[in-house]
Amino acid sequence: EDQVTQSPEALRLQEGESSSLNCSYTVSGLRGLFWYRQDPGKGPEFLFTLYSAGEEKEKERLKATLTKKESFLHITAPKPEDSATYLCARGIREKLTFGTGTRLTIIP
Amino acid sequence: DAGVTQSPTHLIKTRGQHVTLRCSPISGHKSVSWYQQVLGQGPQFIFQYYEKEERGRGNFPDRFSARQFPNYSSELNVNALLLGDSALYLCASSLDGRSSEQFFGPGTRLTVL
Repeated sequence: EDQVTQSPEALRLQEGESSSLNCSYTVSGLRGLFWYRQDPGKGPEFLFTLYSAGEEKEKERLKATLTKKESFLHITAPKPEDSATYLCARGIREKLTFGTGTRLTIIP
Repeated sequence: DAGVTQSPTHLIKTRGQHVTLRCSPISGHKSVSWYQQVLGQGPQFIFQYYEKEERGRGNFPDRFSARQFPNYSSELNVNALLLGDSALYLCASSLDGRSSEQFFGPGTRLTVL
């Protein structure tokens, strides 16, 4: 069965303290690994798509990387406005299978 | 450029009632997907439609149904509501629904009492 596992469930960082979020997945039929940001009560906001092992993408303080069985979202020198839940999902044919997310809190 | 829009924003229903949720995709996108997100969980896939045809269905009961119109907008219908149907219902649009990214709307918060 499709499985996406995210860790940690929650992470509290001081402003400026860099860290990484992990997303591991079962491999068969992967058609993209997606990262989204979700603020409370809102829809997920698209961040990145990764398709091949070794691929990296960056946006402001965020960088996503992909290996054969996991992806990392690296956050460099985060700010309080980066506080949100970060979701990863794998694409299989027509559907996205999501993990339960990492709830990130950046303390000023 | 307008993003994905959903209506209504919030909805309160009682058990046994029926509900219809609506979604308009990004202009030029032909695929709409529906997801259910309960508190503390990731979104769960319900349906995908492409060019008015159902392309995929998740593990949800037959009380859930959907359709897509010629202008690519979509409706999600849920019959015989249960307390457990309370959730944030998300609509996502994409160019073709398979190899391209899915962009989500703000969601409809459904509360079943």
